Amino acid sequence: DVKVTQSSRYLVKRTGEKVFLECVQDMDHENMFWYRQDPGLGLRLIYFSYDVKMKEKGDIPEGYSVSREKKERFSLILESASTNQTSMYLCASSQSAGRGEQYFGPGTRLTVT
Amino acid sequence: DAKTTQPNSMESNEEEPVHLPCNHSTISGTDYIHWYRQLPSQGPEYVIHGLTSNVNNRMASLAIAEDRKSSTLILHRATLRDAAVYYCILRGIQGAQKLVFGQGTRLTINP
Repeated sequence: DVKVTQSSRYLVKRTGEKVFLECVQDMDHENMFWYRQDPGLGLRLIYFSYDVKMKEKGDIPEGYSVSREKKERFSLILESASTNQTSMYLCASSQSAGRGEQYFGPGTRLTVT
Repeated sequence: DAKTTQPNSMESNEEEPVHLPCNHSTISGTDYIHWYRQLPSQGPEYVIHGLTSNVNNRMASLAIAEDRKSSTLILHRATLRDAAVYYCILRGIQGAQKLVFGQGTRLTINP
């Protein structure tokens, strides 16, 4: 079975803390994505990566950075968490651009207090 | 970026067909049309995708208009487990792979 795993299902952090969200896929996919999902706003792309050490900004990259040192792992970093970053964070991976499906992880619900 | 437009919500009855529409009038020639759904408290799940021709799989069918400016996801016999938010997505084949997500359609299935 194909699988995308995320390091935590639920996370509570304080304002100003550095937060790491990790995502691992076991399908040898080239492309990996980080989204956030908020009520009424649907899914929004934060960053994606199409190869190791390569990254592209999505629609809402402000306040986030990413790291992809290995093909199977894509990390999302909140350098200084703020309350407006409370959200559901979803990681996904896909093999090829434009074709085939994206496989999503179960999501991390992050609360910043 | 090409956008999609979907109705906010739809309702259907169990064991009846459901037609979920999506408009994408600014689609480019190389954009694939993808459909995903999301059940409560879960990540999105792939349903089907296509480029120009209609597509069928075990979950659903995808009907694509001849001008590609709209598409319809068809669930042939809805079950209660099909109650979810359905997203119509355009996916490019080149470049930066910018993904464009609509707001999704919340599908309610009545028993």
